[in-house]
Amino acid sequence: GENVEQHPSTLSVQEGDSAVIKCTYSDSASNYFPWYKQELGKRPQLIIDIRSNVGEKKDQRIAVTLNKTAKHFSLHITETQPEDSAVYFCAASNAGNMLTFGGGTRLMVKP
Amino acid sequence: KAGVTQTPRYLIKTRGQQVTLSCSPISGHRSVSWYQQTPGQGLQFLFEYFSETQRNKGNFPGRFSGRQFSNSRSEMNVSTLELGDSALYLCASSLAGSNQPQHFGDGTRLSIL
Repeated sequence: GENVEQHPSTLSVQEGDSAVIKCTYSDSASNYFPWYKQELGKRPQLIIDIRSNVGEKKDQRIAVTLNKTAKHFSLHITETQPEDSAVYFCAASNAGNMLTFGGGTRLMVKP
Repeated sequence: KAGVTQTPRYLIKTRGQQVTLSCSPISGHRSVSWYQQTPGQGLQFLFEYFSETQRNKGNFPGRFSGRQFSNSRSEMNVSTLELGDSALYLCASSLAGSNQPQHFGDGTRLSIL
């Protein structure tokens, strides 16, 4: 089955700096890659997703890049703000709606 | 549009009991997926239901089961509860079709004593 690894497990940045979270996946048939943000005690919230026919996608301060050859994808957050502090999860899916999640990254943005 | 609604929010059970959790998807969403979230194992896929049929199944024992009704609402059941079943159970709904964006509910926090 699919296996998704996520790094780093914790990330601390100063407000205004950029943050990058990286994930690798094992199943070359995976073709959908969402990212979720989960604040303490709250539901995972979909923040951006990318499909395998696209190499990059942006939404304001958030961008995701995908390298199918290397089987890795990354989340980039620019101009970080304290409200970006949360746990971020990457996921991969090759069919249906079965998401395999990475282990999560705890992002801390220091004011 | 109302989001995904899960009930109850909290449950306390003892070992050996069984439990049923409920999920109402976003209006118009016909696919419902269930996930278990624990500090040790992270987020793990349990199963997905679409048109009242289980479409995908994760690697969980047969004590975990589910069903979907004609109005797309879904329930999951866990029988013979074990201490290790303590977790946050999350439901996510999406539109019909493969690899549609999934939107999560607030979850049911299940504690086993």
